[in-house]
Amino acid sequence: ETGVTQSPTHLIKTRGQQVTLRCSSQSGHNTVSWYQQALGQGPQFIFQYYREEENGRGNFPPRFSGLQFPNYSSELNVNALELDDSALYLCASSAGGSRTGELFFGEGSRLTVL
Amino acid sequence: AQSVTQLDSQVPVFEEAPVELRCNYSSSVSVYLFWYVQYPNQGLQLLLKYLSGSTLVKGINGFEAEFNKSQTSFHLRKPSVHISDTAEYFCAVKGPAAGNKLTFGGGTRVLVKP
Repeated sequence: ETGVTQSPTHLIKTRGQQVTLRCSSQSGHNTVSWYQQALGQGPQFIFQYYREEENGRGNFPPRFSGLQFPNYSSELNVNALELDDSALYLCASSAGGSRTGELFFGEGSRLTVL
Repeated sequence: AQSVTQLDSQVPVFEEAPVELRCNYSSSVSVYLFWYVQYPNQGLQLLLKYLSGSTLVKGINGFEAEFNKSQTSFHLRKPSVHISDTAEYFCAVKGPAAGNKLTFGGGTRVLVKP
């Protein structure tokens, strides 16, 4: 069984640039969610994708957007990067309709914005 | 809306001593409760969860937690810690209709000393 994998693991961008982060969900999982974890803080929910559609969003501006593909992998796109976007971005997958909240997390993509 | 407060940002503890990590939450609806662990440079791993039923929940690696509805708490305990328990621990809550939207506390860093 393949777990959740994310790429890249680390990247550095400058203010105003755009970034795309990628996530492959765990085998058999059709729901993907993204979280932002700033240094020293708990993760914050960005959004969730189910069957290729966004069906839940946290308090993040529209410059945070995403996609889910037919194979359930996902991308997180952030436009017009700001210094405060520096964080660990975590992808989590789960089986569709899971009410128990048992998410399986990847190891994250650490973004540094200079 | 839910919120989670982890009362201790850091907890130093000696090896083989017991540890308790405190978590309080607020919510206007019934919630599901979780504890996750994050080892350095890794994603989050589920330790245990409370959905319903017995208020004492046992998880992996010898951890357990007790749900107290009247005090809106979900404290995590381990009777004897190991060096390998050094990590960051996050308490999280989810409403029953919240999909994959977990609300996390700020985390408690446990440092186990020999």
